[in-house]
Amino acid sequence: GQQVMQIPQYQHVQEGEDFTTYCNSSTTLSNIQWYKQRPGGHPVFLIQLVKSGEVKKQKRLTFQFGEAKKNSSLHITATQTTDVGTYFCAGPQGGSEKLVFGKGTKLTVNP
Amino acid sequence: GAGVSQSPSNKVTEKGKDVELRCDPISGHTALYWYRQSLGQGLEFLIYFQGNSAPDKSGLPSDRFSAERTGGSVSTLTIQRTQQEDSAVYLCASSFGTGYGYGYTFGSGTRLTVV
Repeated sequence: GQQVMQIPQYQHVQEGEDFTTYCNSSTTLSNIQWYKQRPGGHPVFLIQLVKSGEVKKQKRLTFQFGEAKKNSSLHITATQTTDVGTYFCAGPQGGSEKLVFGKGTKLTVNP
Repeated sequence: GAGVSQSPSNKVTEKGKDVELRCDPISGHTALYWYRQSLGQGLEFLIYFQGNSAPDKSGLPSDRFSAERTGGSVSTLTIQRTQQEDSAVYLCASSFGTGYGYGYTFGSGTRLTVV
């Protein structure tokens, strides 16, 4: 079945350093979504990318969707302690609304 | 309501007992999903309801698991004869549908512990 893979699994950075997580799907996606889960919390929707090659920014966060619509990345510039959490990418399975989630990248930030 | 509401927030049950987990989605959201998250792990799809269509039950791990959604709103996930491997956080989410660009809204989850 469809698989969504994320790397790295863990990332430790010093506050102020940049951070990037990568997401790859085994199949072409109609869209890709990113979620953030704070420690002890639940996943919260960040953004959805739909178009091939799309780039979207939210303050210090930059999201990209690959030209082939099979990969995506999330880049955080100048990390802050508030960025701590696990970042998940997810893509719809086939033609349904059901999302397949990657295993996530857990980000820790040392102040 | 303002968000997706799940109850109970925590449930400790003895092995072999049945449990019911409740999800109250955002009003107007046509789609409702159940996922399971084991400690430190990713999200495992369980079941998906969309409007009046037959639910997609392809993620249910065994016939001990079942779910229903009444009146297109509240959903109940039932686990019969619970096992220790059922211990996890059960997350419910609802959405208008990903075509609208809003993604899923998750509830805070029910932490199930089977002892």
